[in-house]
Amino acid sequence: DSGVTQTPKHLITATGQRVTLRCSPRSGDLSVYWYQQSLDQGLQFLIHYYNGEERAKGNILERFSAQQFPDLHSELNLSSLELGDSALYFCASSGLSGGPTDTQYFGPGTRLTVL
Amino acid sequence: GQQVMQIPQYQHVQEGEDFTTYCNSSTTLSNIQWYKQRPGGHPVFLIQLVKSGEVKKQKRLTFQFGEAKKNSSLHITATQTTDVGTYFCAQTSYDKVIFGPGTSLSVIP
Repeated sequence: DSGVTQTPKHLITATGQRVTLRCSPRSGDLSVYWYQQSLDQGLQFLIHYYNGEERAKGNILERFSAQQFPDLHSELNLSSLELGDSALYFCASSGLSGGPTDTQYFGPGTRLTVL
Repeated sequence: GQQVMQIPQYQHVQEGEDFTTYCNSSTTLSNIQWYKQRPGGHPVFLIQLVKSGEVKKQKRLTFQFGEAKKNSSLHITATQTTDVGTYFCAQTSYDKVIFGPGTSLSVIP
């Protein structure tokens, strides 16, 4: 158990819908990272937040957005869902400097299926 | 853009055989991280290498960072069935983490 929690574990929805994925980092960690893992794309970095502020963006679509709240939990919002958005979504947290060289602890992931 | 390549994509070994996966970059890396993901699980951080030529060991696992900091390797001695999973290298740059495509290891008992 990494100490990072993600809800829900599974999500099944239809194309065009909007969903919200939630992540609670390890106690004391200020950084949250979001990743998308699909069979053909591997692990893709989406976005990094540190103490409520966006630090870096990766291959995140405009239909996707994220935020980190004052209590440090984070949400990833996916809208106008397409079949290709079906994937495993991981969040990871880290502490210390908030830089990506800190050890990242991954949550169990949310499996999103878009029908 | 920045990317790291990994070879091989898949590796099947007999239990007890050694295994090596290689991570290569066209640009100089500031550091390299290695992760393991068991089937159905999440990535777990194994190690980070920072210095040119650095070698670190964790029991049967040996990690190396190339002298030019453009490549890295993970070597497992005498594989066990518990080593099954996908091994990823990752580079960090400007607050981003870029993962390689991974090497999937199967161990035949």
